Amino acid sequence: GAGVSQTPSNKVTEKGKYVELRCDPISGHTALYWYRQSLGQGPEFLIYFQGTGAADDSGLPNDRFFAVRPEGSVSTLKIQRTERGDSAMYLCASSLLPGSSYEQYFGPGTRLTVT
Amino acid sequence: GENVEQHPSTLSVQEGDSAVIKCTYSDSASNYFPWYKQELGKRPQLIIDIRSNVGEKKDQRIAVTLNKTAKHFSLHITETQPEDSAVYFCAARISGGYNKLIFGAGTRLAVHP
Repeated sequence: GAGVSQTPSNKVTEKGKYVELRCDPISGHTALYWYRQSLGQGPEFLIYFQGTGAADDSGLPNDRFFAVRPEGSVSTLKIQRTERGDSAMYLCASSLLPGSSYEQYFGPGTRLTVT
Repeated sequence: GENVEQHPSTLSVQEGDSAVIKCTYSDSASNYFPWYKQELGKRPQLIIDIRSNVGEKKDQRIAVTLNKTAKHFSLHITETQPEDSAVYFCAARISGGYNKLIFGAGTRLAVHP
């Protein structure tokens, strides 16, 4: 079946602009995660959704970052007033249920470049 | 805060040799340790995982060991092949978290024919 998909694959924006990154999880997966991966580093946790609610947003770096999942499926990561330091690969992952018995499947990522 | 350290950052081996990557974690209550392989330009993919109630797990040429006392776990790849070349990430599930994973910085493995 289809895996996790993310759009766009690449996004170039100017400093100060607003961007939205979309994640389509595997159908039926209730848990959804956003990670950020800088060059040469491992993925860094941003936020986790169980269903429609953000169960853990402790990884969001500041209030310019926000994410929603209004219908418990597709999620959108929103970044306001982008800064050059926001440039990174943004990865989304989903799992059937939360908990370590359920593998997290990653999407291909969105590479964000802030000029 | 929670931290996972991974070594080495780069590893170069000859085809057929073994490769070992080591990680340590800070949260003693962590209970789940997956390993991901990420090929250039591709998404991370789970290759093996281990839970805190076992000390070792094998899957063909790949094995993972866990030492809870030392808060240390390792990935072992035997009979390496060129297609094993990739970046490998270890991770630890933080206790009380909703499967939130803390990743190491990665090891770039190069297997030379």
